[in-house]
Amino acid sequence: DTGVSQDPRHKITKRGQNVTFRCDPISEHNRLYWYRQTLGQGPEFLTYFQNEAQLEKSRLLSDRFSAERPKGSFSTLEIQRTEQGDSAMYLCASSLTGTGTYEQYFGPGTRLTVT
Amino acid sequence: QKEVEQNSGPLSVPEGAIASLNCTYSDRGSQSFFWYRQYSGKSPELIMFIYSNGDKEDGRFTAQLNKASQYVSLLIRDSQPSDSATYLCAVKNDMRFGAGTRLTVKP
Repeated sequence: DTGVSQDPRHKITKRGQNVTFRCDPISEHNRLYWYRQTLGQGPEFLTYFQNEAQLEKSRLLSDRFSAERPKGSFSTLEIQRTEQGDSAMYLCASSLTGTGTYEQYFGPGTRLTVT
Repeated sequence: QKEVEQNSGPLSVPEGAIASLNCTYSDRGSQSFFWYRQYSGKSPELIMFIYSNGDKEDGRFTAQLNKASQYVSLLIRDSQPSDSATYLCAVKNDMRFGAGTRLTVKP
């Protein structure tokens, strides 16, 4: 257990529905990242926050995806009008800047299945 | 397009052997590199990071970085069946991961 938690762990939804995932990072970590991973692939970067500011968003990310980190602590990732291609594992990671190492610690992930 | 490339494997080695995993990257400006291990159905866990050219050792693991040739490798000495997993190479600057190399260590 890295100290990063994600909720829910599994989500099954029908195509067209909206879903929201939550990530709670390690408490002192100021950076929070969202990734998507499909079978046989490495994690694909989606977006990241430093404190409450969203500093980068993947150019490949559809407008149906939005993320927030309102108080610089937990974060939510929302997918609107889900499609079958959104089925994947959604991973959250956190890190601490200023240590010089920037290593990321991952949560257990949320597995999304769109039917 | 900035890329991180890994041989997808699978790589199979006998128990006790040295496993060698390689990763190449396209962005010459990349400064820091990470190796993660991912067991099936689990999330990635950090094994090592390396910033400077040369070798960095941690127990049975050695990371090697060659910025001129743009590759980073991970050596696992005295491989154990518990090392069987997918190993992911990551480049910090643009937070890109390779697709991973699946390693199987046979008893």
